[in-house]
Amino acid sequence: DIVMTQSPDSLAVSLGERATINCKSSQSILYSSNNKNYLAWYQQKSGQPPKLLIYWASTRASGVPDRFSGSGSGTDFTLTISSLQAEDVAIYHCQQYYTTPRITFGQGTRLEIK
Amino acid sequence: QVQLVQSGAEVKKPGASVKVSCKASGYTFTNYDVNWVRQATGQGLEWMGWMNPISTNTGYAERFQGRVTMTRNTSISTAYMELSSLRSDDTAVYYCATSVGSAGLTWGQGTVVTVSS
Repeated sequence: DIVMTQSPDSLAVSLGERATINCKSSQSILYSSNNKNYLAWYQQKSGQPPKLLIYWASTRASGVPDRFSGSGSGTDFTLTISSLQAEDVAIYHCQQYYTTPRITFGQGTRLEIK
Repeated sequence: QVQLVQSGAEVKKPGASVKVSCKASGYTFTNYDVNWVRQATGQGLEWMGWMNPISTNTGYAERFQGRVTMTRNTSISTAYMELSSLRSDDTAVYYCATSVGSAGLTWGQGTVVTVSS
């Protein structure tokens, strides 16, 4: 199985500042035939199911604000929130689907306001 | 729009079984795999397995092999996940999720399963 490791486990950022969350896969999740990275990011607010933010490592899902961006390739990926808003307090999860239908998730990163 | 509506909370005794349902709407149920994922309190997301609604092919995470069964009823666009021999550490929120229209997952609202004597 591909192991996904996020860092840090928790993060506190001031309102309006940049937040950066990292995700590392135990093997490359870049499919060479289509040059796509099989990685998604989700936001999970307290008491709610996860919500898709980013797929193909950098494509924002419909309705997601442009302060959210995804980057990276191969084994190392980053989710960036350019200017933190109060409503962004949540747990963020990365997920690989390179081995679809068998998928795996990172352990999650808790984001709070400093 | 794509929607997955799950059955209500369950309380079970150790050793019992639980069956959670997931009713799909807003898309053709048989065209997309259904995944089941669980989350214990304060923990991350744990993938349990998948089912193809057309072929009924399934694949389960190794740690649930022999205890989990995923089925469906296509006439009512509903998927089911049954977990047997429940233990206290099976207490968690159980989600169904599918990938429609993008490479990411759309999720049900979750079903709380509590295992307690």
